[in-house]
Amino acid sequence: QSVLTQPPSVSAAPGQKVIISCSGSSSNIGKNYVSWYQQIPGTAPKLLIYDNNMRPSGIPDRFSGSKSGTSATLGITGLQTGDEADYYCGTWDSSLSGGVFGGGTKLTVL
Amino acid sequence: EGQLVESGGKLVQPGGSLRLSCAASGFTFSYFAMSWVRQAPGKGLEWVSAISGRADTTYYTDSVRGRFTISRDNSKNTLYLHMNSLRAEDTAVYYCAKPSRGWLTFDVWGHGTTVTVSS
Repeated sequence: QSVLTQPPSVSAAPGQKVIISCSGSSSNIGKNYVSWYQQIPGTAPKLLIYDNNMRPSGIPDRFSGSKSGTSATLGITGLQTGDEADYYCGTWDSSLSGGVFGGGTKLTVL
Repeated sequence: EGQLVESGGKLVQPGGSLRLSCAASGFTFSYFAMSWVRQAPGKGLEWVSAISGRADTTYYTDSVRGRFTISRDNSKNTLYLHMNSLRAEDTAVYYCAKPSRGWLTFDVWGHGTTVTVSS
């Protein structure tokens, strides 16, 4: 049972948009920045979004992040088959004094 | 941006011990807190432990506290995870990860090293 809650899976057609949610609490998302990671099976995770809505260099603007209260979302527009991966949200939990991740969301591009 | 290379993972019996290493290059290692993150087979990411740049602050997830010890040698640009009293549920790929700032915005990840706890 992860501290952050994500839907297990989402799907959409190529070219469409998808939103992945991440729900937490006042001690984690409500108090700290959220990051999002993309993981293609068999490889290490890759940072997609940091500080709630910032993109590292090299990440296309098709990827966006937002945060409101104790929830965060990752948006992906113009879906491509190469976007098929597992996506994780993560943040610091001030009550646990440790990092926490969501359980992950598997994106399928139909 | 940097590179991280983990080593030390192997098959170990329940109750055994293991030390993982993570060699860092391409950035000023001592400037950054570092973490270990693991992923059990078919499961999601789980943050395990973190250590500050000067090694004066450490954090652990509850399930490993008292059994695992994180440490670092800034003169060797190396992060360690000392694992004792290993359990089957510790079986996972262990990644070391560097944050771009703070504790948990990981912009550099290693390729991972596999720990299997089984008799």
